[in-house]
Order: sequence, then structure tokens, then C-alpha cells
Amino acid sequence: AQSVTQLGSHVSVSEGALVLLRCNYSSSVPPYLFWYVQYPNQGLQLLLKYTTGATLVKGINGFEAEFKKSETSFHLTKPSAHMSDAAEYFCAVSAGGDMRFGAGTRLTVKP
Amino acid sequence: DTGVSQNPRHKITKRGQNVTFRCDPISEHNRLYWYRQTLGQGPEFLTYFQNEAQLEKSRLLSDRFSAERPKGSFSTLEIQRTEQGDSAMYLCASSPGGMFVTEAFFGQGTRLTVV
Repeated sequence: AQSVTQLGSHVSVSEGALVLLRCNYSSSVPPYLFWYVQYPNQGLQLLLKYTTGATLVKGINGFEAEFKKSETSFHLTKPSAHMSDAAEYFCAVSAGGDMRFGAGTRLTVKP
Repeated sequence: DTGVSQNPRHKITKRGQNVTFRCDPISEHNRLYWYRQTLGQGPEFLTYFQNEAQLEKSRLLSDRFSAERPKGSFSTLEIQRTEQGDSAMYLCASSPGGMFVTEAFFGQGTRLTVV
């Protein structure tokens, strides 16, 4: 069975600073990996995904993530945080017909 | 297509009552998923369907929970004899078929409060 672990339930950065949200996965087969964002009282929205091919994937709102098989990681980054990035971020893995999520990381952006 | 639709958006019920939620997926998607999300936690997998077939059910799901997708289109999730611990956001998602999930599209969720 596949699973993900998100390191850090809460990350706080200053506006303009680098955002780094960590995700490690476990899967017995090559996985597909995802980052979703959830704003308060809203559903989950896909930020980006890795399926096959290029290991550095770019998503919406300036976010990107790199699949590192040797480290079983899929960390999410953004060079410069914006106030509107404050939300809950979830890493997810699919290694079959379903998708499993991590516990989430709440990103706070300070002015 | 307006995306994944869930009804109702909010439900308050007394402990011991039965509740039923509905999910209408994106029309061409043959996979449908149910998740439960509590405050500060990630979506917890409950069950999923490929067309009308229920392919997997979480071991965490008690026998008070049942889900159906009778014609491979909309799905219902029923909770019998609700308990306060059932209070959560129930999320539905759908995706196209294929060996792996390439993207799951989520509805807004149904927030259940058991009093």
C-alpha cells in the first residue's frame, strides 16, 4: 500500500521568502505524486502532479516540485511567497486505482 | 460540466439518526472516491468505485457506513446510527479511468455535525 508523510504540520514564512513544504512517499511500485491546496471552506484544488517523464514539475501560482526517487521525496517549493499562498497543502500518492493523502501542512505568510 | 457536486453542503443531525449524502461526479469520469476529513487532518480514504463496482473499502470504515453507485453515475454515502465521532467533512472526488489516478477532482464537501 502507498502512503505519504508530510514533515511539518505548520510552516510560517515571510512574504517574499522561499516556501518549502516537505513530502516523502512510500510505494511498492513507481508512484504518481500530487500536491493539492485547500483554502478555508473550499474543496481541494490540484497544484501540480508528477506522473512520468521530467522529474521537475511546474504547477499553478508559481509552485514547483521535484520527484527524487532516491530520496522518495516530492517537496513543494515556491521562490517567493505571497500573502495569497496562505492555505493548507496536501501531498498525495497514487500507485493504483486510488489516491492517499498526507496529513497536510498549513502555510502561514507573514507580511 | 460544472465539476463534482455534493449535496447537501451542511448537515446537522442528532446522534443515532441516519444520514445520506449524494455526490454527482464529472460525467465522463468512471472512478468515484469518498474521503473523510477532520479539522487539521488530511483526507482519509473511505472507499472508491470503478463504474458501479465498489473496488476498495477502508478497514477503518465501520459497518455503519455504506456507499453505493447504482448506475455508475452518482453515488450516495449513508451513515447509520450516527455518533459524535462521525462529525467531519465528507469529500467526494472523481477521476477518469486508467491503471493509476492521473488527477482527482474534488467537490466542495458535505460538512456533517452530529449533536
